[in-house]
Amino acid sequence: NAGVTQTPKFQVLKTGQSMTLQCAQDMNHNSMYWYRQDPGMGLRLIYYSASEGTTDKGEVPNGYNVSRLNKREFSLRLESAAPSQTSVYFCASRGGWETQYFGPGTRLLVL
Amino acid sequence: GDSVTQMEGPVTLSEEAFLTINCTYTATGYPSLFWYVQYPGEGLQLLLKATKADDKGSNKGFEATYRKETTSFHLEKGSVQVSDSAVYFCALAPRDTGRRALTFGSGTRLQVQP
Repeated sequence: NAGVTQTPKFQVLKTGQSMTLQCAQDMNHNSMYWYRQDPGMGLRLIYYSASEGTTDKGEVPNGYNVSRLNKREFSLRLESAAPSQTSVYFCASRGGWETQYFGPGTRLLVL
Repeated sequence: GDSVTQMEGPVTLSEEAFLTINCTYTATGYPSLFWYVQYPGEGLQLLLKATKADDKGSNKGFEATYRKETTSFHLEKGSVQVSDSAVYFCALAPRDTGRRALTFGSGTRLQVQP
């Protein structure tokens, strides 16, 4: 049972480049989330998806777009990367009793 | 809005010492409370949780009690090991919204020395 998987594990971008972070879960969960983790700030919610085809903005959505094409996959896209988007990105899905299950993270460096 | 405040780290302890990491929260209603742990280079793993007042969550020797009167959820362990070295996050999930996104504290790094 893989749980939540994320690709890539690490990425370096130049300012203005675009990329998509992929996330998939095999636990048949409806709700999925994207967070970013910055030093001293814990994790902050970027976007949320309650089910296939629905998404909602979180605390820090600017500069990001998301896509929930099916129940398993929830992708995060940076259209024009900026140095302020250098961070570690975590995808999560929500199971019973509001417990969230996290992927291993993607480390993104924007130069 | 909702918020979680944790004690700043790093917390450095010797093996077999007693651990307390303080966590207080502000939220409307009665949230569920969590402790997550992050080992170096890994994602977050659920350590324990409590879903209502006076509940005690426990796992791997760690404990935390949901205290509504003090809005706290302090993490404790009686005897830490080197393998407990990690970053610990306190978090809450509100009950009164469909989003159920977690609000995290800033994390506390624990370093246990042999």
